[in-house]
Amino acid sequence: QVLLVQSGTEVEKPGASVKVSCKASGYTFTSYSMHWVRQAPGQGLEWMGITKPNGADTRYAQKFQGRVTMTMDRSTNTVYMELSSLRSDDTAVYYCARDNNYGIDYWGQGSLVTVSP
Amino acid sequence: QSALTQPASVSGSPGQSITISCTGTSSDVGGYNYVSWFQRHPGKAPKLMIYDVTNRPSGVSNRFSGSKSGNTASLTISGLQAEDEADYYCSSYTTSRTWVFGGGTNLTVL
Repeated sequence: QVLLVQSGTEVEKPGASVKVSCKASGYTFTSYSMHWVRQAPGQGLEWMGITKPNGADTRYAQKFQGRVTMTMDRSTNTVYMELSSLRSDDTAVYYCARDNNYGIDYWGQGSLVTVSP
Repeated sequence: QSALTQPASVSGSPGQSITISCTGTSSDVGGYNYVSWFQRHPGKAPKLMIYDVTNRPSGVSNRFSGSKSGNTASLTISGLQAEDEADYYCSSYTTSRTWVFGGGTNLTVL
């Protein structure tokens, strides 16, 4: 079955960077793109971007342009999302989610990132 | 890209039907049939309930149905059950080749 297993909780200081990983299994990794979505406390879901297996067509939400980098390691079936210049309002649960050409079908379990002085 | 507009909350009694709306623009909901709906229980990852406006993934109850008219998509849940109590989010593809979510709707089963 499709499984997306994400890295654990991170606590970072303002201005630092965080890198969240998402290891995929149960399907052909190179055939599907991966979204990143976050949910801040008390807020709704927020789309951050999508990366294709070939790495050639990565798109980011305008809000995160210049601060986020999404990459894939095809040798380990792992996707990474790095967010830099962290602020307190970046505190959120970050999800990776598989794209099935019509949108998201499977989600990872989420990774909590806390930004605190 | 602005978030799609959903009601903050809806409620219904067991056995009743409810509908959650999701309003966007001609650049997202109105322009494509790539509207999905997700159910999210507290502390759990979201679950896909509807894709391509009207399609149900395998294993999702046929009590869940989707539709669209113009720039507004809708999720209808019939025969409400206690287990349906959750947050529901819509999402849509956009002309910017990005995706956008709705603000979410909290469903309470009375």
